[in-house]
Amino acid sequence: EVQLVESGGVVIQPGGSLRLSCAASGFTFDNYVMHWVRQAPGKGLEWVSLFSGDGNIHYADSVKGRFTVSRDNTKNSLYLQMNSLRVEDTALYYCVKDKGARSSWFFDYWGQGTLVTVSS
Amino acid sequence: DIQMTQSPSSLSASVGDRVTITCRASQSISTYLNWYQQKPGKAPKVLIFAATSLQSGVPSRFSGRGSGTDFTLSISSLQPEDFATYYCQQSYSTTQFTFGPGTKVDIK
Repeated sequence: EVQLVESGGVVIQPGGSLRLSCAASGFTFDNYVMHWVRQAPGKGLEWVSLFSGDGNIHYADSVKGRFTVSRDNTKNSLYLQMNSLRVEDTALYYCVKDKGARSSWFFDYWGQGTLVTVSS
Repeated sequence: DIQMTQSPSSLSASVGDRVTITCRASQSISTYLNWYQQKPGKAPKVLIFAATSLQSGVPSRFSGRGSGTDFTLSISSLQPEDFATYYCQQSYSTTQFTFGPGTKVDIK
């Protein structure tokens, strides 16, 4: 059974830094594209970042230069380093597995999310 | 960037109704279009991928159509468990993925 468990969400002040983690199990982690997708309270879904199995990395324009995605295939884990946080980064952050390996196909498994609140 | 729009933004329907949601892309995305269902307090779940393919385990009352810029998600006979918010998402651009704003389906 595929499981994705996010952690690291907290209440943090604007300008702060935070690292989210996602522990994956139930599939061969290094074979698949992994994403971070966020959802602000009461709002829609926003794609944040991807890290493919062969090392390609991409970011949404809204987080480029502030967020860094990484993965440790030996620990079956995905990470999101978030710097220079803004109030508008407040959201539930989902770790998402893609059906695809080298490129995205569709998002087939989602974690339950970890809540990041940026507030003074 | 490819922009996605959905209509309507919300709709009220009764159990047994046929429901159709429309998604439009700002440029042609071939059939790189996926549909997700999200219930309150839950993570989204994929229903349809590649515009028309039903994800394993999803009831056959869900169907998708379209290519290019115009797509639809239909529910042939709405069931109580189908009341949720539905999002379309393009995967044509492999560096910037975008979702539609969502369509909330609630009980009339």
